[in-house]
This record gives sequence, structure tokens and C-alpha cells, in this order.
Amino acid sequence: AQSVAQPEDQVNVAEGNPLTVKCTYSVSGNPYLFWYVQYPNRGLQFLLKYITGDNLVKGSYGFEAEFNKSQTSFHLKKPSALVSDSALYFCAVRDPYSGGYQKVTFGTGTKLQVIP
Amino acid sequence: DGGITQSPKYLFRKEGQNVTLSCEQNLNHDAMYWYRQDPGQGLRLIYYSQIVNDFQKGDIAEGYSVSREKKESFPLTVTSAQKNPTAFYLCASSPGQGAPGTEAFFGQGTRLTVV
Repeated sequence: AQSVAQPEDQVNVAEGNPLTVKCTYSVSGNPYLFWYVQYPNRGLQFLLKYITGDNLVKGSYGFEAEFNKSQTSFHLKKPSALVSDSALYFCAVRDPYSGGYQKVTFGTGTKLQVIP
Repeated sequence: DGGITQSPKYLFRKEGQNVTLSCEQNLNHDAMYWYRQDPGQGLRLIYYSQIVNDFQKGDIAEGYSVSREKKESFPLTVTSAQKNPTAFYLCASSPGQGAPGTEAFFGQGTRLTVV
């Protein structure tokens, strides 16, 4: 069974500082990994994904994530946080070799608070 | 302008009442999904459909029903059998099994409250 963990319910960071939102996963094969962002009372918006290739993935709004197979992690990063980055962030994993419906499993979310 | 439209944005349900949440997409996606979001629990899959006239139960299907009569539409009915329906409901779509690396697209959600 596949799973994903976001160990921090909330991350606080000062505006202008680098931010990291952590994600670890467990799948039987090579994973497809995704990050989404959710603003209050809105749907999820796609940020970036890792499918194959370069371990460092760049996405929307200046975010990037690094796939680390040995540590089974896919942490979301941004060099300089903005107040507008404050939102709920979800990591998701899909096992492409599971056969049939390729279920996506979402983490429980991490609330990012950027302090002015 | 392509996307997914959920309606209504807010919905109030009386005890013992069935309500239907609408989800329409114009992305020509084969697969559609319904998720329930509760604080601190992330997204839980209620039902999914990979093709018209076919759908499967997700992790928490009890008390819910769906239909997929058209490719564009995947309505969710919250029945009176669902004992704790107050939640934020999200509909999503994706191209389907032929494109497993493609991300899902989400609607703006429906907040259902039991009164």
C-alpha cells in the first residue's frame, strides 16, 4: 500500500527567508509525486510534479522540490518566502505500476504561515 | 476557458435529507473523482470514475452515491445514510489511465453543512 506523510501540521517562516515543507512517501515501485496548494475555501492548485529524470523539479510561483529516492522524500522549497505563499500545501503520491486505477494518495496537509 | 465547475459553493442540508452536488468539466478528461476534506485529515476519496457509465467506490463511499451518464458530469449525492456529512467536498478530473503522470485538476469545492 502506498502512503505519504507530511510530518508538520504547520510551518512558520519570516517573509524573505527560505521555506521548506516536508514530505515523505512509501510506494512499492518508482513513484509519481505531486505538490498542490490550497487557499482558504478553494480547490487545490497544482504546483509541480516528479515523474522521472532530474531530481530537482521547478514549478509554479518560484517553488521547487527535490526527489530523494534514498530518503523517500520530496520536500517543497522556495528560496524567499512571500506573505502570499501562506496557504495549505498537500503532497501526493501515485504508484504508476499498481495496475488498474492508479490511486493518488494525499498527505494530511501542511499549513504554511509566512510572517511579514 | 477550460476547467471544473462545482455548484453550489455553499449547501445546507437538513437532517434526513438527500442533497446533490454538481461537478462539470470541459477538459475532455476521462477520469473524475470526488474527495471529502475534513480539517487535519487531508483528502479522502469517496468515488471515482474512469469512464462514462462506470464508477467505483473509494475509501469512504458509505452514505454517498454517484452517476456518470455523461463524460462531462459526475454528480455526487449525499444521502441521509451519511451520518456526518458536514465537510468540504472537492471534485477533480484527470486525463485517465493513459496519462498516469498527469496531475489532477480540481474544482473550487462545495461546503456542505447540516443544519
